[in-house]
Amino acid sequence: GENVEQHPSTLSVQEGDSAVIKCTYSDSASNYFPWYKQELGKGPQLIIDIRSNVGEKKDQRIAVTLNKTAKHFSLHITETQPEDSAVYFCAASKGNQGGKLIFGQGTELSVKP
Amino acid sequence: GAVVSQHPSWVICKSGTSVKIECRSLDFQATTMFWYRQFPKQSLMLMATSNEGSKATYEQGVEKDKFLINHASLTLSTLTVTSAHPEDSSFYICSARGQGSSTDTQYFGPGTRLTVL
Repeated sequence: GENVEQHPSTLSVQEGDSAVIKCTYSDSASNYFPWYKQELGKGPQLIIDIRSNVGEKKDQRIAVTLNKTAKHFSLHITETQPEDSAVYFCAASKGNQGGKLIFGQGTELSVKP
Repeated sequence: GAVVSQHPSWVICKSGTSVKIECRSLDFQATTMFWYRQFPKQSLMLMATSNEGSKATYEQGVEKDKFLINHASLTLSTLTVTSAHPEDSSFYICSARGQGSSTDTQYFGPGTRLTVL
């Protein structure tokens, strides 16, 4: 079955710097890749997603890139702010074929003021 | 849009009792709802997938007689933890996937913290 590896497990950056989190997946049939932000004690919040027919997607300070050949995708956060501090999860699924999400292990991002 | 609620947000119960958690999609119809369990500092672990009007599909290792799931309508799914024990203490989160073009997008509820004494 699908396996998603996420790195790094923790990431500390200075406010204003960029942060990059990387994920690799094993199943080449996966075609949907969302990213979630989870604050302490809360449920995950969808922040951006990308489908396999697109190589890059951007939403203000957040961007996601997908390399289908290498089976990896990355989250890029620019101009980080303290409120970006949270745990970020990547996930992969086969879209409409069942829709089960396979999650990465999570990255705890800390943005220091 | 795409708001999912859970109730209660936290619950404390005695060992041996049953606890019901509700998951509602507030502004869309959810053809599929998922139930996850999350331990501290860990990722989300899928417990089961439920489709409206049919029996839930449980992941390997999840006891279906202990974690009863009902998806009676397109906006409501419930998870009942039967005969709860301290090891069932965890953060339970539901997600809902809607109808329409973005049927692969899952929206998560705020979670329910269960503590079994």
